Amino acid sequence: GAGVSQSPRYKVAKRGQDVALRCDPISGHVSLFWYQQALGQGPEFLTYFQNEAQLDKSGLPSDRFFAERPEGSVSTLKIQRTQQEDSAVYLCASSLDFGGAGTDTQYFGPGTRLTVL
Amino acid sequence: SQQGEEDPQALSIQEGENATMNCSYKTSINNLQWYRQNSGRGLVHLILIRSNEREKHSGRLRVTLDTSKKSSSLLITASRAADTASYFCATDSLSGNTPLVFGKGTRLSVIA
Repeated sequence: GAGVSQSPRYKVAKRGQDVALRCDPISGHVSLFWYQQALGQGPEFLTYFQNEAQLDKSGLPSDRFFAERPEGSVSTLKIQRTQQEDSAVYLCASSLDFGGAGTDTQYFGPGTRLTVL
Repeated sequence: SQQGEEDPQALSIQEGENATMNCSYKTSINNLQWYRQNSGRGLVHLILIRSNEREKHSGRLRVTLDTSKKSSSLLITASRAADTASYFCATDSLSGNTPLVFGKGTRLSVIA
């Protein structure tokens, strides 16, 4: 079946531009996660949703970052007024349920590589 | 901040050799998971080991967990060129529903 898909795969933005990154989770997956991965580093948690509810956004680095999942399926991560330090790969993952810390396998998309010039 | 630290940061071996990667973490956990990431791709889940387990096998993979030392190891036996990738450990925490916290990864190169 189809896995997690993300679009665009690559995005180049000029500093100060707004960007929107899309994630299509696996159909039926309740939980959706966003991670940021800097070059040579492991992914770092940004935010997660259970259905349409954003239950944790503690990892969002600033109020320029905003995520939504209005119908409990597709999610969009928006970054306003992009800065060079926002350059990273943004990974989306979904799991069938968030039934307990880390107990459900998270399936990752290929990521969106954002470069801010 | 990242909870786990993988060791070594990079590892280069010949095809057919075994590869061992280690992960240390800081706080008590429920589970520890290992993921693989090929260059430019997303992460692929390899194996999950629960805090009450000490060892787990999956194909050519063997994972151990020592909660007293807050460490885990991933052994890949009879490595293949296709195993070339970065490997990450990821942990949750005992404090309730929390997302995964990843280490910085070990970059494995298997030379044919």
